[in-house]
Amino acid sequence: ETGVTQSPTHLIKTRGQQVTLRCSSQSGHNTVSWYQQALGQGPQFIFQYYREEENGRGNFPPRFSGLQFPNYSSELNVNALELDDSALYLCASSLAVGGNTEAFFGQGTRLTVV
Amino acid sequence: AQKITQTQPGMFVQEKEAVTLDCTYDTSDPSYGLFWYKQPSSGEMIFLIYQGSYDQQNATEGRYSLNFQKARKSANLVISASQLGDSAMYFCAMRARGYSTLTFGKGTMLLVSP
Repeated sequence: ETGVTQSPTHLIKTRGQQVTLRCSSQSGHNTVSWYQQALGQGPQFIFQYYREEENGRGNFPPRFSGLQFPNYSSELNVNALELDDSALYLCASSLAVGGNTEAFFGQGTRLTVV
Repeated sequence: AQKITQTQPGMFVQEKEAVTLDCTYDTSDPSYGLFWYKQPSSGEMIFLIYQGSYDQQNATEGRYSLNFQKARKSANLVISASQLGDSAMYFCAMRARGYSTLTFGKGTMLLVSP
């Protein structure tokens, strides 16, 4: 196990609703990244947080937003859910930005939008 | 921009045999890292092996080795002595030095038969 915990593990929401996904990073890691993995695809980078500040963002609309807390845990919020938001959402924590350290992933949250 | 290409949607191998999973990459960054992750059906991305662009030797981790050919921009994963538990999706990913975000390929499904 990596020490990265995501909650909930599964979630079903209705189109137009809002959702919050949570991630507890590995102890000592100050960088958290979020990825969206659609069925049959590789993960796509959503955004990254480093010491509570957004540090980079992928090609996702503003209705995808996030937070990082002083204990380095993080939230991903998605507003106005669309059917295409159905995916596995992965959180990864790492020690500092860049470098040659691997990212440790949580088990993911499977979001289904109906 | 970085790009990872995995051309094998699926691979079959018999238990105890070796298998090579292909990965080619494209980047203009002079310094980068290459990663392989295993994703079982549970969803968690499990780190397997890392290769830095300036590493002189190919990386090895137990039964996993990375065949790094920089001039050809390839980073193939070799799994020796396949086990039934190796059946999973395998993703190749890269990260430019100074960043924490990973760019993933589409993955290869490996099935190990008895």
